[in-house]
Amino acid sequence: GQQLNQSPQSMFIQEGEDVSMNCTSSSIFNTWLWYKQEPGEGPVLLIALYKAGELTSNGRLTAQFGITRKDSFLNISASIPSDVGIYFCAGPGNSGNTPLVFGKGTRLSVIA
Amino acid sequence: EAQVTQNPRYLITVTGKKLTVTCSQNMNHEYMSWYRQDPGLGLRQIYYSMNVEVTDKGDVPEGYKVSRKEKRNFPLILESPSPNQTSLYFCASSHKGQGAFHYGYTFGSGTRLTVV
Repeated sequence: GQQLNQSPQSMFIQEGEDVSMNCTSSSIFNTWLWYKQEPGEGPVLLIALYKAGELTSNGRLTAQFGITRKDSFLNISASIPSDVGIYFCAGPGNSGNTPLVFGKGTRLSVIA
Repeated sequence: EAQVTQNPRYLITVTGKKLTVTCSQNMNHEYMSWYRQDPGLGLRQIYYSMNVEVTDKGDVPEGYKVSRKEKRNFPLILESPSPNQTSLYFCASSHKGQGAFHYGYTFGSGTRLTVV
């Protein structure tokens, strides 16, 4: 089925550093979504993108919908310990807008 | 509070003993879906439903059944569980998207299933 390639797989950063992660697809997406999952919980939607080139912020998080519509980026500025978790990108699969396909996630660790 | 509720949170069972994981949402969402999460494999879709009495297979449907008799409920049934179904399961729901756009799922807190 549809696959999303997310990188990096994991990151260890110092508190206060900026973080960048990305997601690529082999086909065009009309929606890009970014989720965060904390230990023991389900993923929570952070940012939704619907237009090529769109740049959207949510606090210290900024995500961009790539102009080719085959990629998306998530940046976290001035990281803090509570940013720890797994970040997933997601988008609608080939068979319509219902099934969401997820990347394998970027595991973020923040060292205080 | 708007939420997706799964039960149970934790379940240990034996091979072959039928089980049901319940899922309910109170947001009047049309779409519902089940995912399983395994280390190194991310979130993989098992089944999804676009509305009442409409269900379809996801990427890993083997060994699972679902039903959508009411809008709010979407139970996941394992008729004869096997150890390879040991996993973390998530139910999710969303409003119907417009055209090719998706609003994004709201997820439940997960069910950790162990089959011995």
